Amino acid sequence: KAGVTQTPRYLIKTRGQQVTLSCSPISGHRSVSWYQQTPGQGLQFLFEYFSETQRNKGNFPGRFSGRQFSNSRSEMNVSTLELGDSALYLCASSSMILSVGELFFGEGSRLTVL
Amino acid sequence: ELKVEQNPLFLSMQEGKNYTIYCNYSTTSDRLYWYRQDPGKSLESLFVLLSNGAVKQEGRLMASLDTKARLSTLHITAAVHDLSATYFCAVDEGGGADGLTFGKGTHLIIQP
Repeated sequence: KAGVTQTPRYLIKTRGQQVTLSCSPISGHRSVSWYQQTPGQGLQFLFEYFSETQRNKGNFPGRFSGRQFSNSRSEMNVSTLELGDSALYLCASSSMILSVGELFFGEGSRLTVL
Repeated sequence: ELKVEQNPLFLSMQEGKNYTIYCNYSTTSDRLYWYRQDPGKSLESLFVLLSNGAVKQEGRLMASLDTKARLSTLHITAAVHDLSATYFCAVDEGGGADGLTFGKGTHLIIQP
């Protein structure tokens, strides 16, 4: 059974650019959530999608957005990149809504902003 | 605001020894998760604890949850080098309103 797949794995951008990250959940999972991991702030919740609807969002500026498609695949977008956006972005899927289900994480997309 | 505190944050121990990692959280919750992360890798789910008094064991690792004390422990028995990793606990405040709140992680090094 394939796990959570994230693309791209590594990318380098410059300040002011935008980036789109993709996540394909485990087959049959309808909940996808995103987390940002940095050495200073640790793991922080970005948002969660279930059945194409954003259920909740963490404390991040509006430059961070996402969406989920009918096949449960999800994308997140960061516009007007800042140096502080350099991080490992992790996607997780669950068979149930976040509050109940176990999360399965992908390998992450490591973003470097120069 | 939910706070999740792990201690210790760094731990170096020898193979064969026992040790416990503690996870304290600041709000009522009966959903707690433990994850393992190897360097450069993603998070691997270890345990899901969904009620007061829950205890789960897998190999040399055992996790427990005391919701009244707002405390979870991850106990390592007779540590082996392969258990070297960073261990995170995470709490769901309920309803998924804010996703999971993670502790800062315990960086565990087990020396032969």
